[in-house]
Amino acid sequence: GQNIDQPTEMTATEGAIVQINCTYQTSGFNGLFWYQQHAGEAPTFLSYNVLDGLEEKGRFSSFLSRSKGYSYLLLKELQMKDSASYLCACMDSNYQLIWGAGTKLIIKP
Amino acid sequence: GAVVSQHPSWVICKSGTSVKIECRSLDFQATTMFWYRQFPKQSLMLMATSNEGSKATYEQGVEKDKFLINHASLTLSTLTVTSAHPEDSSFYICSARDGGGYNEQFFGPGTRLTVL
Repeated sequence: GQNIDQPTEMTATEGAIVQINCTYQTSGFNGLFWYQQHAGEAPTFLSYNVLDGLEEKGRFSSFLSRSKGYSYLLLKELQMKDSASYLCACMDSNYQLIWGAGTKLIIKP
Repeated sequence: GAVVSQHPSWVICKSGTSVKIECRSLDFQATTMFWYRQFPKQSLMLMATSNEGSKATYEQGVEKDKFLINHASLTLSTLTVTSAHPEDSSFYICSARDGGGYNEQFFGPGTRLTVL
């Protein structure tokens, strides 16, 4: 079956770095997405990886290893506004997104 | 970036009534739109995939006669919750896929439905 695993909740300190991991098993693979979702709002696109390696975009970076079925989202210089849920999603062979349950990130001062 | 609008943002209705939610892609054409439902503190649950000019594909367990989807144009899809009941109260979110780029989905702001 298809499955996306990510931690339920993480806590980090303002100004620090946090890494949110995601492991996946899907029928085919057409890329992995990370979305940010603040409470009561719709998800917003953060990053896309389809090739192995690290994609950097400002304070956020996303890494992919296809052979390991593994990705992580790295957030640097954490700010209070980064408190949100972070959703990992894989696009399968039918270009359908398979969603993880999301990781709630709590930032403490 | 691509913009998706959703209307209304929130709606309160009486049990037994029908509610229509509109999803529009404002600056791109979306041959495929998706409808999700999200209960509090839970992840997104895909309800159906809507393709322009054809019938929607519903996920297992989603009643197609209760959740009517129409994708009449490349920029508009509608979800009608028929004979709504309190258990239908949820956050409904649409997304549209831009055929170019990464095939990423762009989300509308969501509609919070409360059925009394």
